[in-house]
Amino acid sequence: DIVMTQSPDSLAVSLGERATINCKSSQSLLYSSTNENYLAWYQQKPGQPPKLLFYWASTRESGVPDRFSGSGSGTDFTLTIGSLQAEDVAVYYCQQYYHAPLTFGGGTKVEIK
Amino acid sequence: EVQLVESGGGLVHPGRSLRLSCTASGFTFGNYALSWLRQAPGRGLEWVGFIRSKSYDETVEYAASVKGRFTISRDDSKSVAYLQMNSLKTEDTAVYYCARGESWLTWGQGTQVTVSS
Repeated sequence: DIVMTQSPDSLAVSLGERATINCKSSQSLLYSSTNENYLAWYQQKPGQPPKLLFYWASTRESGVPDRFSGSGSGTDFTLTIGSLQAEDVAVYYCQQYYHAPLTFGGGTKVEIK
Repeated sequence: EVQLVESGGGLVHPGRSLRLSCTASGFTFGNYALSWLRQAPGRGLEWVGFIRSKSYDETVEYAASVKGRFTISRDDSKSVAYLQMNSLKTEDTAVYYCARGESWLTWGQGTQVTVSS
């Protein structure tokens, strides 16, 4: 199974400041024939299901604010919130879909400092 | 708008069975794989399995933790997917979600399953 490791476990950021979440996979998620990275990012607020933010590592889902960005390739990926807003308080997860079983990172909790 | 509504959750004793349903709307159900996932209290996300579309022979994949106990099926005529859970264990206690897709996922609201004596 592909192991997904997120860091940090939690972070506190001031409103308007940048938040950076890292995700590392135990093997490359870059599929050579398509040159795509098989990685998604989700946001989960308390009491709600996860919401898709990005797929193919950096393709923003419709309706996701552009202060969110996804980057990275191979085994190292980053989710960045460019200017943290109060409504961004949540747990963020990365997920690989390179092959089954689908696996998730442990989550990063983002709070306001 | 894509909507997925899970139902059938509840309290069940260890060793018993439960069947969850996932009713979909807002998209052509038969064209998509359907996944089941779960989240134990205060824990992260765990994939349970998925069923592919008829175009891919409705092939099914399961997590090792549920293989042999859980069965995923679908009825495209009703836009419903099912998760049959047998021989339930206390560690199966979680919120169960269905989601559209087998790669990136669009999630339903979830249904609580509690396995306890």
